[in-house]
Amino acid sequence: SAVISQKPSRDICQRGTSLTIQCQVDSQVTMMFWYRQQPGQSLTLIATANQGSEATYESGFVIDKFPISRPNLTFSTLTVSNMSPEDSSIYLCSVDSSAVNNEQFFGPGTRLTVL
Amino acid sequence: AQKVTQAQTEISVVEKEDVTLDCVYETRDTTYYLFWYKQPPSGELVFLIRRNSFDEQNEISGRYSWNFQKSTSSFNFTITASQVVDSAVYFCALSGMDSSYKLIFGSGTRLLVRP
Repeated sequence: SAVISQKPSRDICQRGTSLTIQCQVDSQVTMMFWYRQQPGQSLTLIATANQGSEATYESGFVIDKFPISRPNLTFSTLTVSNMSPEDSSIYLCSVDSSAVNNEQFFGPGTRLTVL
Repeated sequence: AQKVTQAQTEISVVEKEDVTLDCVYETRDTTYYLFWYKQPPSGELVFLIRRNSFDEQNEISGRYSWNFQKSTSSFNFTITASQVVDSAVYFCALSGMDSSYKLIFGSGTRLLVRP
């Protein structure tokens, strides 16, 4: 299984600011994903982070609000821009460690509170 | 369209009772994968199982067992002799070969095991 770390683990931010979340994997992985879990809710996919090209965003999520970088096969960042209290959520990075086995593991998450 | 339904919002049992968490899915993909994840109060998402659509064999792992029935589009999860440490939110998820392995999550079932 892949070992995934995320930084920061939690943060409290002011409205209107931006936060960049980092996701680091201990091995090269083909696919990396970013999910959001709003309080008391299930997980919703934000985007697929593609190495060497722009991320693929799901309906309801846009690049201006959630820019994503994927400079290599072990690292990705998600930025939450111009934050509002509605962005308070847990943001999780996940990886597909093997396209054959399709085992998907999640990072520990970043708990974001926007005041 | 893909959809996962977990009709049980919350289940409460007494320790040592058996409990079954239901999961019903919808997909048009001919090949797909089904997952169960556990999210304890600490918040991390713990991978429990992945099942391929072409493998309907039931699986047992310790006190956990899974019943996959394609005919009813269900992938139910049973915990035998439940323990307090099993208290968590459990998510069922689906991904399809045609959808680039992104996960569609159910709404989750909160399990409370009382001593």
